[in-house]
Amino acid sequence: QQPVQSPQAVILREGEDAVINCSSSKALYSVHWYRQKHGEAPVFLMILLKGGEQKGHEKISASFNEKKQQSSLYLTASQLSYSGTYFCGTETYNQGGKLIFGQGTELSVKP
Amino acid sequence: NAGVTQTPKFRILKIGQSMTLQCTQDMNHNYMYWYRQDPGMGLKLIYYSVGAGITDKGEVPNGYNVSRSTTEDFPLRLELAAPSQTSVYFCASSYDVGRTWDFGNGTRLTVT
Repeated sequence: QQPVQSPQAVILREGEDAVINCSSSKALYSVHWYRQKHGEAPVFLMILLKGGEQKGHEKISASFNEKKQQSSLYLTASQLSYSGTYFCGTETYNQGGKLIFGQGTELSVKP
Repeated sequence: NAGVTQTPKFRILKIGQSMTLQCTQDMNHNYMYWYRQDPGMGLKLIYYSVGAGITDKGEVPNGYNVSRSTTEDFPLRLELAAPSQTSVYFCASSYDVGRTWDFGNGTRLTVT
């Protein structure tokens, strides 16, 4: 079953922060985060495996609450280059290796 | 490493024609996947493979076939192309469960 992302779209001014959420109705083994720019392939940001784990990538970090089957992506002090569509992908325990993506969150960073 | 290579990059098909989208990876990855992405939409899993000789259906398998005879290659076959198959197709691979994934650059397919 497809994970649900929120919000569907967000517009930021450069330097502002944003949070993108991803939730699933199934027990999750891992959560992946990708960013895709128009006309390009998705680019890997990070993968989270453990409950409560938090990872960082420059000014982008994420958390994974295994008990709630939720993950959040945090973008701080946004830059113009952060614009794009963000996708979460989830793997479940009984279907390891099968990555199902959410519908995406479109992020626009304005000067 | 070349990573994940998809060919062709673009293709126009007429309704009812068939074609094979090629995907190859040189990273010795066990897991390989095919996704389609319609304009403005997310990625939908078509088929995936956990190793040579093993394939399984994803979310939207109808109208497609796959085979995995080698670790490196995972071709996607479209039989009797329909306009609904107009999309961008991405191939991806991973070494194991919970590991990072690598995506190819995509194949833009138009069926008219």
